[in-house]
Amino acid sequence: GQQLNQSPQSMFIQEGEDVSMNCTSSSIFNTWLWYKQDPGEGPVLLIALYKAGELTSNGRLTAQFGITRKDSFLNISASIPSDVGIYFCAGDSGDSNYQLIWGAGTKLIIKP
Amino acid sequence: DTAVSQTPKYLVTQMGNDKSIKCEQNLGHDTMYWYKQDSKKFLKIMFSYNNKELIINETVPNRFSPKSPDKAHLNLHINSLELGDSAVYFCASSHILRTGELFFGEGSRLTVL
Repeated sequence: GQQLNQSPQSMFIQEGEDVSMNCTSSSIFNTWLWYKQDPGEGPVLLIALYKAGELTSNGRLTAQFGITRKDSFLNISASIPSDVGIYFCAGDSGDSNYQLIWGAGTKLIIKP
Repeated sequence: DTAVSQTPKYLVTQMGNDKSIKCEQNLGHDTMYWYKQDSKKFLKIMFSYNNKELIINETVPNRFSPKSPDKAHLNLHINSLELGDSAVYFCASSHILRTGELFFGEGSRLTVL
């Protein structure tokens, strides 16, 4: 099935650094979402975006719905140890079954 | 109270067995889902269930069957388990069908030997 292109696959960063990850699609999406999964847990919604160009923040997290409607990015400022985990993008292409399309995830690792 | 709860959290079984995973949500949501997450962490939707309407991902083998006794419960039954069924299975719910705002359970790790 269709899958979003999410990059990078993994990131090794120092505590305090800013982080940026993105997702792209070959088709137009109506909704973009960003989830975080901690080890041993289910994904948790961080930010939902519903309009092209929309820029939304949630604490140190900021996400944008690309103006072309084919991409989205997530930024994390001043990373802290609890930011470790896997970040997933997901999108709605508006098909009749309404099945979210998911990225493969970006694994964030903070170097000690 | 856990919003979306699944049992069991861990399940180890032999090939060929039949097993079930239970899911309950206390959020009053109308839609529930089952997702499979493989060893590479890919999330793949298996089923969505909304107001007695079942939407099936066509790639899911018919050995997998969801059963919903009521709006708050969606159980997953798997027949004739195969090695490739080993994965983490997540239940999720949402207020309505046409939303990406899902609430996930903690997952059920199935290991088939």
